[in-house]
Amino acid sequence: EVQLVESGGGLVQPGRSLRLTCAASGFTFDDYAMHWVRQGPGKGLEWVAGISWNSGSIGYADSVKGRFTISRDNAKNSLHLQMNSLRAEDTALYYCIKDGGSDSRGYYPLDYWGQGTLVTVSS
Amino acid sequence: SYVLTQPPSVSVAPGETARITCGGYNFGIKSVHWYRQRPGQAPVLLIYYDSDRPSGIPERFSGSNSGNTATLTISRVEAGDEADYYCQVWDSTSDHYLFGTGTKVTVL
Repeated sequence: EVQLVESGGGLVQPGRSLRLTCAASGFTFDDYAMHWVRQGPGKGLEWVAGISWNSGSIGYADSVKGRFTISRDNAKNSLHLQMNSLRAEDTALYYCIKDGGSDSRGYYPLDYWGQGTLVTVSS
Repeated sequence: SYVLTQPPSVSVAPGETARITCGGYNFGIKSVHWYRQRPGQAPVLLIYYDSDRPSGIPERFSGSNSGNTATLTISRVEAGDEADYYCQVWDSTSDHYLFGTGTKVTVL
């Protein structure tokens, strides 16, 4: 059974940093691309970042480019999102997602989602 | 950048058919995926590659893509179908994943 468990969320002041982690199990982690998608309070889904199986291809939404960094540790079956210079508009539930394929460039659906970790940016 | 437009809400009586559209993009040969998000839960893949269903998704759920509009159809609607539904594509121009604006389905 595929399991994706996010952690690292919390309350943080604007301008500060936070690092999210996703622990993956139930599948061969290094065969698949991974993503982060967020959902603001009462809002829709927004893709944040994606990373291919070997970290060779990485992409970011324009809203986070230059501030967020996605990475993965295939030896530890974990996905990370380093979030710097946080803003109030980054407040959201952040989901860790398994891609249906190895490349993060869109051919496959996003087939398994974690339950999310909440990030609140406020002074 | 593109915005995938969905109707904000759709209301349907039990047993009837609900249709949710996704437009504002030239889908062409690109595949559309659909996700269902029940209240308080994470999204779940519902339809992929326009019309395929993952295992465990009932045949009542179907999808189509005409090139300019993608449609999710829910036949014989049940109370448990109340949820938010999102379409999604990958935009090769921007290398971004795009989600639709979301549709809340209410079962009367």
